[in-house]
Amino acid sequence: QKEVEQNSGPLSVPEGAIASLNCTYSDRVSQSFFWYRQYSGKSPELIMSIYSNGDKEDGRFTAQLNKASQYVSLLIRDSQPSDSATYLCAVREGYKAAGNKLTFGGGTRVLVKP
Amino acid sequence: GAVVSQHPSWVICKSGTSVKIECRSLDFQATTMFWYRQFPKQSLMLMATSNEGSKATYEQGVEKDKFLINHASLTLSTLTVTSAHPEDSSFYICSARDGRQYQETQYFGPGTRLLVL
Repeated sequence: QKEVEQNSGPLSVPEGAIASLNCTYSDRVSQSFFWYRQYSGKSPELIMSIYSNGDKEDGRFTAQLNKASQYVSLLIRDSQPSDSATYLCAVREGYKAAGNKLTFGGGTRVLVKP
Repeated sequence: GAVVSQHPSWVICKSGTSVKIECRSLDFQATTMFWYRQFPKQSLMLMATSNEGSKATYEQGVEKDKFLINHASLTLSTLTVTSAHPEDSSFYICSARDGRQYQETQYFGPGTRLLVL
């Protein structure tokens, strides 16, 4: 069974600090990786997608992918109280026959304290 | 950006009734839509994959006769919870795959909160 693992948290960070979130996955052939942010009571919203090894930066967010070690991480720089949410790591199954399903991790709850 | 809408956002119904939830992609064509369910403090659980013009593919443990899915057009999929019971109370979220984008990103609708009394 394909699995995506995240530390549930809460990850408490002071305002202005860097929040570091990690995610590991079991399906070695996975090719596409996504980070979603979900505020309490709301649906997930896409923050980042990453497909190649290395870093990808978008504003205050940086996604890092290491396929050999099967992990993907998300860094949030200059954390703001508005970043307080649950962050979901999602991995798309590697083959088209799988119907492009995403497997989600359990999410990491982040609390940014002023 | 890609926008997905859901209607209704909230529904309260009596036990035994059926509830229909609509999911629409507003500015793109979605050949595939996905239906998820989320219970409080839990992660998203995929219920089914809906492809336009064909039968939905249900995940293991999801009753296809209870959760009817119709994907009649490239912009609309519906989920009908038949004979709803209190244990069906949950947050139902759809997502649509934007086939235009590389690697086919999924975008989520705002969700529908169902409460069965």
